[in-house]
Amino acid sequence: DGGITQSPKYLFRKEGQNVTLSCEQNLNHDAMYWYRQDPGQGLRLIYYSQIVNDFQKGDIAEGYSVSREKKESFPLTVTSAQKNPTAFYLCASSLRQDSYNEQFFGPGTRLTVL
Amino acid sequence: RKEVEQDPGPFNVPEGATVAFNCTYSNSASQSFFWYRQDCRKEPKLLMSVYSSGNEDGRFTAQLNRASQYISLLIRDSKLSDSATYLCVVWGPGGGNKLTFGTGTQLKVEL
Repeated sequence: DGGITQSPKYLFRKEGQNVTLSCEQNLNHDAMYWYRQDPGQGLRLIYYSQIVNDFQKGDIAEGYSVSREKKESFPLTVTSAQKNPTAFYLCASSLRQDSYNEQFFGPGTRLTVL
Repeated sequence: RKEVEQDPGPFNVPEGATVAFNCTYSNSASQSFFWYRQDCRKEPKLLMSVYSSGNEDGRFTAQLNRASQYISLLIRDSKLSDSATYLCVVWGPGGGNKLTFGTGTQLKVEL
């Protein structure tokens, strides 16, 4: 089946540790995105990538890093510089980055920093 | 002012009722508009796009008023399975090609 997978579903880390969240898609989509969702807030864009080996900062990129070495993969690293990392992280992809192409979301990773 | 604003609810309605949600957006340059549905602790999924002339998909009707900068979603004959959070989503406000999400309106359909 085609889709987006994220792993793990739940992740617990100690404060000060870096952690990498996985996102893989087999939809042959060019564009991929990372969002963060906090209670009472809308999804906020962390990073996005329109094509392999290229990515741009979103609205809240501080404390995060990404890579896009393969079309199907867009991992997100939450670094120790991120002040409030506990959140629900959602990865998405679309055929291209424009208003006409639906963004499909993965099931998300819930990160808790203790 | 938030770029996309929604009443968080919850809207508690009996099964079979008609319910309407509104959403306002701040940037008149916004280009495209959507309603997404998000079930509890799940990922958002596209419910429908919103077109200038209004559009319908089964029990769901979406409308756009560009002059007043608001979007609406009408659900007729509510089902228990409609219980979810409905996210108003706008493409392109404030420059930059990206989606901006509202905080969502929670709907609870009861027997």
